[in-house]
Amino acid sequence: AQKVTQAQTEISVVEKEDVTLDCVYETRDTTYYLFWYKQPPSGELVFLIRRNSFDEQNEISGRYSWNFQKSTSSFNFTITASQVVDSAVYFCALSGALGNDMRFGAGTRLTVKP
Amino acid sequence: SAVISQKPSRDICQRGTSLTIQCQVDSQVTMMFWYRQQPGQSLTLIATANQGSEATYESGFVIDKFPISRPNLTFSTLTVSNMSPEDSSIYLCSVAPTGLITDTQYFGPGTRLTVL
Repeated sequence: AQKVTQAQTEISVVEKEDVTLDCVYETRDTTYYLFWYKQPPSGELVFLIRRNSFDEQNEISGRYSWNFQKSTSSFNFTITASQVVDSAVYFCALSGALGNDMRFGAGTRLTVKP
Repeated sequence: SAVISQKPSRDICQRGTSLTIQCQVDSQVTMMFWYRQQPGQSLTLIATANQGSEATYESGFVIDKFPISRPNLTFSTLTVSNMSPEDSSIYLCSVAPTGLITDTQYFGPGTRLTVL
């Protein structure tokens, strides 16, 4: 069965601090896909990144970076120099090879204070 | 990506009534999905809706409670039937433009439902 754990329920930082959101997953599939989504207060889910299990290369996009470690089944998300606009709930999600079992983590609520 | 709209954006309904939520996409997509997000919770997949076939429901969700229509490649509806306060949630539709759930899913803005 697929499972995604986001142990951090809420994180609060001050603007310009770096923050890492943790995501640990469980799957028996050898092929799987990992995602991060942002849900700002407006409620809409914004896609951030998709990663397949064969691509362990870390990715950087502006202030965002992702660290995929298959050895520890983790797909962590770091925001560098956080801004107030980064305040949102962030969801990590996992989809298996068959593509019919998308699972979301519980989400981490990030608050960035000015 | 795809541009997705949902109607209504929010509604307040009485217990025992039904509400139909519409999801419109700006391009043709094979697979559409419906999710529920209960207050303060994560997203749970309700069903997968492919055009031309019956929707596939996840464990814990049944067609009698959540009937889904998919009349064409750009539109779907989800009905929440015989509502109770426990149905108060945000309902979101999403699409996988390439037709695979393993592809990136893009989400609509959601329908915020409150059942009194």
